[in-house]
Amino acid sequence: GESVGLHLPTLSVQEGDNSIINCAYSNSASDYFIWYKQESGKGPQFIIDIRSNMDKRQGQRVTVLLNKTVKHLSLQIAATQPGDSAVYFCAERATGNQFYFGTGTSLTVIP
Amino acid sequence: GAVVSQHPSRVICKSGTSVKIECRSLDFQATTMFWYRQFPKQSLMLMATSNEGSKATYEQGVEKDKFLINHASLTLSTLTVTSAHPEDSSFYICSGPGPTNEKLLFGSGTQLSVL
Repeated sequence: GESVGLHLPTLSVQEGDNSIINCAYSNSASDYFIWYKQESGKGPQFIIDIRSNMDKRQGQRVTVLLNKTVKHLSLQIAATQPGDSAVYFCAERATGNQFYFGTGTSLTVIP
Repeated sequence: GAVVSQHPSRVICKSGTSVKIECRSLDFQATTMFWYRQFPKQSLMLMATSNEGSKATYEQGVEKDKFLINHASLTLSTLTVTSAHPEDSSFYICSGPGPTNEKLLFGSGTQLSVL
């Protein structure tokens, strides 16, 4: 029979524009969240984190927003560059200190 | 600086053989390490949590006899895929909490291909 697999959502952005990547998490008890960037064939790289007692945190060119009411995270990348092309994952920390990852979004920056 | 070093980066093996993947914490000690599996164009799925000096904790649906985890020291955790089959072909990634014991540091991953 036909197999159904999960496919990463994709986002294409023009170089220089801002990017917004969204993530829904599952556990209302999660207290800490991280955004990771993963390039093909490599392990994830840390981008930015946020604790559950905050709703916004800014880094260099990146901002993370947390909405605990609807269990939603977003990552905003300002002035997107070709080097930002990658897959982006959010991860939530559960009570046992394990991290669980969201589906991921594949970002393509068009020069 | 603190790094998680994973080896090998790529391995090709015949069906029925066992493959060991090593994960070392450099410049920090890790009482806990996490093993993930990733299929192409999919997310990272947590397989198990390895605990130094005690048994690993496996996620639901992960066969502990198939994926043997050993965490014998504070700097080394290993994952052995026993009697590998083609469906075990995947990208395996280890991680550790890092010196701040918070954000996960990831290894570079191991691409396993079983023929």
